[in-house]
Amino acid sequence: AQSVTQPDIHITVSEGASLELRCNYSYGATPYLFWYVQSPGQGLQLLLKYFSGDTLVQGIKGFEAEFKRSQSSFNLRKPSVHWSDAAEYFCAVGPGPNAGGTSYGKLTFGQGTILTVHP
Amino acid sequence: NAGVTQTPKFRVLKTGQSMTLLCAQDMNHEYMYWYRQDPGMGLRLIHYSVGEGTTAKGEVPDGYNVSRLKKQNFLLGLESAAPSQTSVYFCASRPKKTGGSHWNTGELFFGEGSRLTVL
Repeated sequence: AQSVTQPDIHITVSEGASLELRCNYSYGATPYLFWYVQSPGQGLQLLLKYFSGDTLVQGIKGFEAEFKRSQSSFNLRKPSVHWSDAAEYFCAVGPGPNAGGTSYGKLTFGQGTILTVHP
Repeated sequence: NAGVTQTPKFRVLKTGQSMTLLCAQDMNHEYMYWYRQDPGMGLRLIHYSVGEGTTAKGEVPDGYNVSRLKKQNFLLGLESAAPSQTSVYFCASRPKKTGGSHWNTGELFFGEGSRLTVL
């Protein structure tokens, strides 16, 4: 069964500092990987996704993530955090191109990491 | 564009009452999903649908029923609400993958959520 682990429940950084949020996944085949962000009281917005090719993917708001197949990881990074980045971040894994017809696009989400940014 | 719309946004129920959450999407997506979000547990799949007239159970289906009578609508019902169903509910949709093209790489499009409290 597929699973996603986000080891850090809560991370606090100072504004301007660098950020790395960890994500480890378990999946039987080549997956598609996603990072979503949820601001307080809001829905989920897609930050970035990996589906093939270059293992370093760029997203919105200056975020990037690196897919490391050997480590089953897809960590999210940002070089300089802004106060507006304070939110909850979710890593998700879904069926990739060779998943077969019964996966029906279901995504499995991690537990989420809450990011607090200090001024 | 409206995208995915959920109604109602907020609801308070008493134990044993029933209610229905409505999800409507205007993107002509085949696949639709209902997730619940609880602190520290991320998003968990309740039920999903891969087309009009079809539904299937997800990870946590007990206590919920769903219907997909029209392609654009996916209803989530609670027949006899329990305090354990206090949660934020998210509806999501995505197109059915066709031809392996990368224009559709499996991300879900989310509604803004419905916060349900069961007293």
